[in-house]
Amino acid sequence: KQEVTQIPAALSVPEGENLVLNCSFTDSAIYNLQWFRQDPGKGLTSLLLIQSSQREQTSGRLNASLDKSSGRSTLYIAASQPGDSATYLCALYSGAGSYQLTFGKGTKLSVIP
Amino acid sequence: DAGVIQSPRHEVTEMGQEVTLRCKPISGHDYLFWYRQTMMRGLELLIYFNNNVPIDDSGMPEDRFSAKMPNASFSTLKIQPSEPRDSAVYFCASSGPPGQGPYEQYFGPGTRLTVT
Repeated sequence: KQEVTQIPAALSVPEGENLVLNCSFTDSAIYNLQWFRQDPGKGLTSLLLIQSSQREQTSGRLNASLDKSSGRSTLYIAASQPGDSATYLCALYSGAGSYQLTFGKGTKLSVIP
Repeated sequence: DAGVIQSPRHEVTEMGQEVTLRCKPISGHDYLFWYRQTMMRGLELLIYFNNNVPIDDSGMPEDRFSAKMPNASFSTLKIQPSEPRDSAVYFCASSGPPGQGPYEQYFGPGTRLTVT
């Protein structure tokens, strides 16, 4: 059974810092990996999706990487802003019959002005 | 497209009452998912449908929970009778078919359920 872990559970940084959020998974046989952002009391917003054949994806100040062999993905946020404060979740789709996403519990990011 | 629509956004009910949550998926998506989010367990898949047919309901916690999808544009999740431990945020998500490019799920805003 696929397990997804996100460490740390919470992170606080001063505005302007570059930061990395981590996601690790136990089964490297994945179809794709998706990073989401969740604001308090709100739904999930998809940030980046990496297919298994890709190693990274970029959108603005965000860069997500995928290393299947080591079971890791990272989300890099450049020049952090207070508006980046949210919970970031990674989710995997294994592509092996069941079409569910397996989620980590997220990292709660606080960017201090 | 308006995205995935859920109603109500907030529901407060008393233990023992019936609760019905509603979802309208993105037009053209043939997969629909119901998730539950709690602090303790994170996001968990309850059930998903393909072309209105339930495919995997192994995440439904017990018989008090039921879900239906009478047509391609509407689904309900019902809890009867509700209990305080059902308090959570319930999300609906939809997607196109896997295998046709990236497989990406789109989430609704969620329904925050409080059972007192």
